[in-house]
This record gives sequence, C-alpha cells and structure tokens, in this order.
Amino acid sequence: ETGVTQSPTHLIKTRGQQVTLRCSSQSGHNTVSWYQQALGQGPQFIFQYYREEENGRGNFPPRFSGLQFPNYSSELNVNALELDDSALYLCASSRGTSGRFGTDTQYFGPGTRLTVL
Amino acid sequence: GIQVEQSPPDLILQEGANSTLRCNFSDSVNNLQWFHQNPWGQLINLFYIPSGTKQNGRLSATTVATERYSLLYISSSQTTDSGVYFCAPGEGTYKYIFGTGTRLKVLA
Repeated sequence: ETGVTQSPTHLIKTRGQQVTLRCSSQSGHNTVSWYQQALGQGPQFIFQYYREEENGRGNFPPRFSGLQFPNYSSELNVNALELDDSALYLCASSRGTSGRFGTDTQYFGPGTRLTVL
Repeated sequence: GIQVEQSPPDLILQEGANSTLRCNFSDSVNNLQWFHQNPWGQLINLFYIPSGTKQNGRLSATTVATERYSLLYISSSQTTDSGVYFCAPGEGTYKYIFGTGTRLKVLA
C-alpha cells in the first residue's frame, strides 16, 4: 500500500465522450504527477501539479487537462476521447520543494483502466 | 529528452536463480528510480538511487551516473518477483522517463 488512491478502478467510454479520473495523494505530499501506460509500454508522463499549479507537461494534446485541489488531491480530465486513449492511467504523489518540484521518490496509485470503444 | 534502454526485454528464471537487469540512459541525471509492476498493474518503488549502491533484502541496485547506467540485482528469485521492472531516470525538475521494462517470469 502506497497511500495513494485512484478512482474509479475501471471505466468504459465511447469515442467523443469526456472522462474525469481522480487521485488522492499520500499524506504530506504536495505534488501529483499523471502518467498514461499503454499496453506493453512503460508509463508516459502527462503532467505534474505542484501546489495547485501545473508544473510541467509531456507531449499530450490540450484535451488532456488537470486540476489540483487545496488538499493536494488531483483530477485528470480527457475530452473528445479517442480509441488510442485506452490505457492504464496512473497518478503518483511526491513531496516537492520550491525549485525542485517533486522528482523525489514517487509513490504510485493502483491506476484507472480506461477503455474507449 | 532522455532515452532509456533496458535489457534484457524478457527473462525467465527458475526459482532460486540470480539475475541482473540493466538500464542505460542517454544523458546525465540527478534522479533515478527502479519500480516493480505486479500483474495487477501496481507500481511499487524498489529504489531511489541517483548514484551509488543500495540494498534491500534480496534486491540491490547500483547507479554509475558518470557512465549513464544503473543495475538491479535480484538474488534467490521467488515466484512473487514476477512482473515488469522499470527503470526511470528523472528529467529536468519535474518528470521521470520510463524505459520499456524487463518482463521477468520466475518459475516454481
């Protein structure tokens, strides 16, 4: 158990729909990172939130967006779903400090498996 | 961005055997983690090891940052060690780059 929770565990959507995934970070952590893991691949960085602001972003289109709340939990929103968005979505929490935003040890949640039909 | 190469891509061991997994990366890094992903998808931290050597039970890891590689040693393997092992060097100040992993299967 890492103390990081994600919901829902599984989700089935159709092309064009929108989805919201949720992540609760480990106690004492102020940084949340989101990753997409396609079948048979390593996780790919989507973006990171530090103290409610987006801190960095990977090569994902703007239809992938997020939020971080004052309690440091986070949401990942994906609009206009495409078949290729089918993947395991992982969030990771860590403890960042000013000038060094959360590349310290990251603790991952169990993931949300999204299927787009 | 940093390129990460892990070898071997697949490994089958008999229970009790030892193994070494390798991770090469293309640029200097200040952070590196090793993870184990179990068959249910959960990623578990094994080591945070930007440099030097660490040991935890049957597992140990060594990172030689100047030569841009890291090694994960598994001794006396058990069936519960099966899964995918990922190396993830940190890039910049905010993200980890994952390799494609080594898929390990330990046979009883």
